[in-house]
Amino acid sequence: KAGVTQTPRYLIKTRGQQVTLSCSPISGHRSVSWYQQTPGQGLQFLFEYFSETQRNKGNFPGRFSGRQFSNSRSEMNVSTLELGDSALYLCASSLDTTEAFFGQGTRLTVV
Amino acid sequence: DAKTTQPPSMDCAEGRAANLPCNHSTISGNEYVYWYRQIHSQGPQYIIHGLKNNETNEMASLIITEDRKSSTLILPHATLRDTAVYYCIVRVDNYGQNFVFGPGTRLSVLP
Repeated sequence: KAGVTQTPRYLIKTRGQQVTLSCSPISGHRSVSWYQQTPGQGLQFLFEYFSETQRNKGNFPGRFSGRQFSNSRSEMNVSTLELGDSALYLCASSLDTTEAFFGQGTRLTVV
Repeated sequence: DAKTTQPPSMDCAEGRAANLPCNHSTISGNEYVYWYRQIHSQGPQYIIHGLKNNETNEMASLIITEDRKSSTLILPHATLRDTAVYYCIVRVDNYGQNFVFGPGTRLSVLP
């Protein structure tokens, strides 16, 4: 079956702009979570959506937001981009509370 | 969730068993031990998880000490493709995918 699909794979944005990243989970998975990975901070949890509701949230500023649609696809948005937002953004989907399946990520570069 | 401690790096000869240790001395009775790995430029991949009994699947074995304060992930016959960063995570297996990733162990499998 198809894995977790993230689009786009690479993105370059300018400081102050906003960006939207997309994640299509594995068919049947209702949980989608987002992570940010940087060389300095490692993998950090952003938030998780389940059945269109945010049920867990990490310690990130309000500029980071997300949503989930009725078909479980999810988007995350970052407004007023800063240089420090340059990172690999990973999406993971799961059927239950155990095994999470990660996508290949979107590499965002802010210049 | 309890904190974990892993060696920053390890080497293993191809074909030999790779034994990756993890210390989680403050683990609570209802916390599970999870292992994920991340191969360069890819999203993390679930390997195995357990509560107190040893677990084995097609990828690896997980040995948890009787007092549950430490565990070892065993890759029985390491290949070059097992070169990756391995993350040991301890968490309560309630709902949610908010995994807390530490720096992990960088395993290098050498020919």
